[in-house]
Amino acid sequence: ETGVTQTPRHLVMGMTNKKSLKCEQHLGHNAMYWYKQSAKKPLELMFVYSLEERVENNSVPSRFSPECPNSSHLFLHLHTLQPEDSALYLCASSQDSNQYTGELFFGEGSRLTVL
Amino acid sequence: AQSVTQLGSHVSVSEGALVLLRCNYSSSVPPYLFWYVQYPNQGLQLLLKYTSAATLVKGINGFEAEFKKSETSFHLTKPSAHMSDAAEYFCAVRGSGGYQKVTFGTGTKLQVIP
Repeated sequence: ETGVTQTPRHLVMGMTNKKSLKCEQHLGHNAMYWYKQSAKKPLELMFVYSLEERVENNSVPSRFSPECPNSSHLFLHLHTLQPEDSALYLCASSQDSNQYTGELFFGEGSRLTVL
Repeated sequence: AQSVTQLGSHVSVSEGALVLLRCNYSSSVPPYLFWYVQYPNQGLQLLLKYTSAATLVKGINGFEAEFKKSETSFHLTKPSAHMSDAAEYFCAVRGSGGYQKVTFGTGTKLQVIP
């Protein structure tokens, strides 16, 4: 496996379900991100972990819960979601330091549909 | 504070014609600038980046962009459009040094007409 891998690619869940999205990066990066991409809306940054510490939490509802157990893995735990949470969830990683430009490497996304 | 404005949410060009996608930025520190491309049902892929080394940046698939500080612009161009260029393009900006937040534009969908 190379790059950034997201599973599952597609997920359909009811409003009362609990599910998780998984992201794994094989690039040796030290920062990982969750973005939400909805139709006709700008890309929304949800969470950022740098060196396994959360450094950004952009007023995301508590029904989304991130977890970063190590620098290679990132999870997004989902519970009691709403239909408006249906979107493409993108994971990304980067190498953040003064020596690097911090470009993001994205996974292919997890398409979530909430019924 | 930083922001990015992409003019035109949809751009249509004929196959073989010039592609020009516009991006203007604002940043309180020297910026790093990026263009990403997203094909249907895929994540974003880095097309090219400006990191203060050279103002004219060449990327993949024949795309290039020029950093113009006086105009705070970073427009993306390609001399001759190909059908495979049909995708959504995002301009992004971040500050230099350590962890810095990346801010994306709203995206421009490029349609290539045969």
